[in-house]
Amino acid sequence: GAGVSQSPRYKVAKRGQDVALRCDPISGHVSLFWYQQALGQGPEFLTYFQNEAQLDKSGLPSDRFFAERPEGSVSTLKIQRTQQEDSAVYLCASSQGISYEQYFGPGTRLTVT
Amino acid sequence: EDKVVQSPLSLVVHEGDTVTLNCSYEVTNFRSLLWYKQEKKAPTFLFMLTSSGIEKKSGRLSSILDKKELSSILNITATQTGDSAIYLCAVKQNAGGTSYGKLTFGQGTILTVHP
Repeated sequence: GAGVSQSPRYKVAKRGQDVALRCDPISGHVSLFWYQQALGQGPEFLTYFQNEAQLDKSGLPSDRFFAERPEGSVSTLKIQRTQQEDSAVYLCASSQGISYEQYFGPGTRLTVT
Repeated sequence: EDKVVQSPLSLVVHEGDTVTLNCSYEVTNFRSLLWYKQEKKAPTFLFMLTSSGIEKKSGRLSSILDKKELSSILNITATQTGDSAIYLCAVKQNAGGTSYGKLTFGQGTILTVHP
């Protein structure tokens, strides 16, 4: 496809469950970002990959959050032992590089009950 | 701490009205300012502004950056119901350190256009 895709689009998890969110960036984009968007707020940066290297994970809120991009393409954001405060939309974006705009996927809406 | 603030937080207008959305920022190593439109899904890119005073236009939308005032405005003329969305402003910082072009977003302006 031409755009960034994410799956699943919706995820309901019981508190304490682990979840895995997938992002397929635009082909050839070296930069990949994850953002968390709480209800009524703008997206907040979580982590950044350049190809397969995770160069910035300063936005990850706790050590329960882990992201990987092993082959420099698809990325997975994993959240262990989910908590209610993890409920949010998780957005993935990709870019050709720092001088270019970021293109966003549709997001995964995570609800922790 | 890097900060992006948008105003108003919400706006209700009628079709045909003109609206101005505001964005102000305080960030280190400013590189560019971006505007996105967010409906029920992915934020879609509208404009990227790097140079002060140069207006970017796309149809009924236009935007301009004022680096002296650390702000930007997004104008929408002759609004239509399809313009109803959240408009997000974001600032990109120069690479170096840990910025890597990550975006710092404002909280968004919710625009509702009634027929």
